Amino acid sequence: AQSVTQLDSQVPVFEEAPVELRCNYSSSVSVYLFWYVQYPNQGLQLLLKYLSGSTLVKGINGFEAEFNKSQTSFHLRKPSVHISDTAEYFCAVSDIQGGSEKLVFGKGTKLTVNP
Amino acid sequence: DGGITQSPKYLFRKEGQNVTLSCEQNLNHDAMYWYRQDPGQGLRLIYYSQIVNDFQKGDIAEGYSVSREKKESFPLTVTSAQKNPTAFYLCASTSSPSGNTIYFGEGSWLTVV
Repeated sequence: AQSVTQLDSQVPVFEEAPVELRCNYSSSVSVYLFWYVQYPNQGLQLLLKYLSGSTLVKGINGFEAEFNKSQTSFHLRKPSVHISDTAEYFCAVSDIQGGSEKLVFGKGTKLTVNP
Repeated sequence: DGGITQSPKYLFRKEGQNVTLSCEQNLNHDAMYWYRQDPGQGLRLIYYSQIVNDFQKGDIAEGYSVSREKKESFPLTVTSAQKNPTAFYLCASTSSPSGNTIYFGEGSWLTVV
């Protein structure tokens, strides 16, 4: 079964600074990888996903992530954050077993952007 | 508007009572999911369903039950057997797996008093 590790539970940064949220997954022949964002008391919204092709994936709100197969990583980056980026971010991997597919999530990283 | 509707948003339950959380989607999605979210634990899968009249247990199915009688509906019952039911519950759906985006509802807060 797939698993996901988000290395930082909390990341504080100042506004306009760059940020990287780290994610590692257990190895597999092929994977689908996702980053979701959750604002307080709300559901999750997709930021970006990697299915195949270019290893650099661009998403909404200026976020991007790079798929690195050799390091089994899918780190999320933004060159300049805003106060409004304060939220919890979840990395997820698609786990296919017995013909069924489900998303396995990391424990999340709380990003706090300070003025 | 298309989307996933969860109700109620907030629910209080006395110990020993069963409670049912509603999840309805009008996206014509085949697959539906229930996740539980606890602080610092991320999202853990309770049950999922790929087609009508079929569903599978997730990682933490004990104390929960579901049904999938209609494509658009996937209610979750939290039974009195669930030892620690206070949590945020999220329903999700996707048209078909294999990399398609999974969409989430706004969630339901369940508190046992």
